[in-house]
Amino acid sequence: NAGVMQNPRHLVRRRGQEARLRCSPMKGHSHVYWYRQLPEEGLKFMVYLQKENIIDESGMPKERFSAEFPKEGPSILRIQQVVRGDSAAYFCASSPTGDALDTFGSGTRLTVV
Amino acid sequence: SQELEQSPQSLIVQEGKNLTINCTSSKTLYGLYWYKQKYGEGLIFLMMLQKGGEEKSHEKITAKLDEKKQQSSLHITASQPSHAGIYLCGADSTQGGSEKLVFGKGTKLTVNP
Repeated sequence: NAGVMQNPRHLVRRRGQEARLRCSPMKGHSHVYWYRQLPEEGLKFMVYLQKENIIDESGMPKERFSAEFPKEGPSILRIQQVVRGDSAAYFCASSPTGDALDTFGSGTRLTVV
Repeated sequence: SQELEQSPQSLIVQEGKNLTINCTSSKTLYGLYWYKQKYGEGLIFLMMLQKGGEEKSHEKITAKLDEKKQQSSLHITASQPSHAGIYLCGADSTQGGSEKLVFGKGTKLTVNP
């Protein structure tokens, strides 16, 4: 039973390009959380999704960032027109019920050049 | 908003020594998670504490939750080089519902052989 799978592990984008980060939750998990870890800062909550629904996006920047978790396929975190400040490690966690965060992916490290 | 302060920020110990890491919350703790992160990797779940006075152990790691002090401690007995990494505490910032965690900035542990 594979854990939470995130890809790519590393992503380099030029300023202004789009970044798409994927998260495949553990089998049977229908709740997904995205967190961002900026250099020298702690992990910050971004968004909580359940299949086809955004439950809480209070941690998402108001512009350029969006997330989805379709009925089929992985959850996607999309960053449009990336800027250098978006460079960070983005982690995804999944849960079967939404009330226990014991499974994180290895993260996607985004570098904006 | 809730904040978690971890102490110490970094710790260097000799193999075989015991150590303690603390995590203090600015608000009531409804649930407290401990994770370990190796550089460039994801979070490894260690344990979760929910009730005041709760104590859990896994191998040589013990975590306690002091609800009144709004504090949790992580104790490692007879440390080994394999214990090296960054230890993160995460608190459930809401009562019930989602696991929208607030994280401390981490404690970097180095264990010298």
